[in-house]
Amino acid sequence: TQLLEQSPQFLSIQEGENLTVYCNSSSVFSSLQWYRQEPGEGPVLLVTVVTGGEVKKLKRLTFQFGDARKDSSLHITAAQPGDTGLYLCAGAKTGGGNKLTFGTGTQLKVEL
Amino acid sequence: GAGVSQTPSNKVTEKGKYVELRCDPISGHTALYWYRQSLGQGPEFLIYFQGTGAADDSGLPNDRFFAVRPEGSVSTLKIQRTERGDSAVYLCASSKDRVPNTEAFFGQGTRLTVV
Repeated sequence: TQLLEQSPQFLSIQEGENLTVYCNSSSVFSSLQWYRQEPGEGPVLLVTVVTGGEVKKLKRLTFQFGDARKDSSLHITAAQPGDTGLYLCAGAKTGGGNKLTFGTGTQLKVEL
Repeated sequence: GAGVSQTPSNKVTEKGKYVELRCDPISGHTALYWYRQSLGQGPEFLIYFQGTGAADDSGLPNDRFFAVRPEGSVSTLKIQRTERGDSAVYLCASSKDRVPNTEAFFGQGTRLTVV
């Protein structure tokens, strides 16, 4: 059972479009991370958010942690083909040990 | 090498056979994690080592799965009596300290196919 549900599961858009990926849970997380994974590779960390309501920006990517620390979103502005990949959120829980619980994943394809 | 190295990159085995998957973490990283990932899904936690000891093995699906890290560096994930349902990509990650306090770096994974 995945505690973190991501939506949409698949997203295919044209270059230049904006998009938002959502990561939702009924559980509270002490921190949440976003990763991007390309075929044949392991996930690569994009950002960590730790405070409810926190917003972080990484170039054209904007990450937000929900006020209640149960959800998060990733917004990409003016998507480029290089943004193509599997986007994963992952949460760490207080008292949950030192493991990350990954979301179900969003497969993004940006076409020219 | 500079990153986490996993060998082999691909492994095809027959149902019922025994397999070993190896992970070489980044030098100096005390924490090591094994995850299993099905196609298009998020990784699922298997086991976490801090040094030589398995600090959390709650994700191992059953007693056919076992992992060791005898010298606190290289780790081996062992699967006995493999089943077709074990087919997946097995990912290893290492970090200087516990996540999420520090960044975890993932290897490229071992794709296991049980036929």
